[in-house]
Amino acid sequence: AQTVTQSQPEMSVQEAETVTLSCTYDTSESDYYLFWYKQPPSRQMILVIRQEAYKQQNATENRFSVNFQKAAKSFSLKISDSQLGDAAMYFCAYTTDKLIFGTGTRLQVFP
Amino acid sequence: NAGVTQTPKFQVLKTGQSMTLQCAQDMNHEYMSWYRQDPGMGLRLIHYSVGAGITDQGEVPNGYNVSRSTTEDFPLRLLSAAPSQTSVYFCASSIVEAPVYEQYFGPGTRLTVT
Repeated sequence: AQTVTQSQPEMSVQEAETVTLSCTYDTSESDYYLFWYKQPPSRQMILVIRQEAYKQQNATENRFSVNFQKAAKSFSLKISDSQLGDAAMYFCAYTTDKLIFGTGTRLQVFP
Repeated sequence: NAGVTQTPKFQVLKTGQSMTLQCAQDMNHEYMSWYRQDPGMGLRLIHYSVGAGITDQGEVPNGYNVSRSTTEDFPLRLLSAAPSQTSVYFCASSIVEAPVYEQYFGPGTRLTVT
C-alpha cells in the first residue's frame, strides 16, 4: 500500500530565512503526482506546488521549491525568504488514482 | 465561479442522529471525494466518485454513505452518528486524469457528535 511519511510534526523558522520540510513516500508505481498543500488556520486546503514523477526537473513556484529524489522516494519542500503568512500546517500528498496524505508538519514563523 | 462549496460549516449532532453533509462544485469536474481530518492523522479518504452514478469506498468508509446523481453534487450521509465521527470533513473535486490531477477542496465542515 502507498504511504506518505512526514517525520517532522513541528518546524520553526525566522522571518526571511529558509526552511525545508521533509516527506518520504512508498510506492511501486512509476507514474504518479506529488503535492504539497498548505492549511492555514482558516482550514482551507491550498495547493502550494506539484511535481509529476516522470519529470526530473524540480518544480518551483515563487519562493517554494521542491527537491524530488525519485529513487530515494523523497519529496522535500523548501520555503525561501519565509514570511509570517507562511505559518500553517503543510501536508505532503501522493496520488495515482487516490490522494494519500501525510500527517502534516506545523510550521511556525517568528519575526 | 464558486468552486467547491460545502454546507453546513459547523454541525453538532447527538449520538444516533442522522444528517447529510452537502458538497457541490461548478467546475464540471468528474471526480469528487470526501475526506475526514483528525488531529495528527492528516486527511483520510472516505468515499469517492469518478462520475454520476459511480461511487467507491476509500480508506475509512464505515458509517458513511454517498450517492452521485449529478455531476455537480456529492452528498455524504451519516446514518447513525457516533462520537468517533467527530471530525472535520472536506469535499474535493478534480478532472479525471490518470494519475489524478490536483484536487480542489471545499472549506470544510466541522462536525461534533456528542
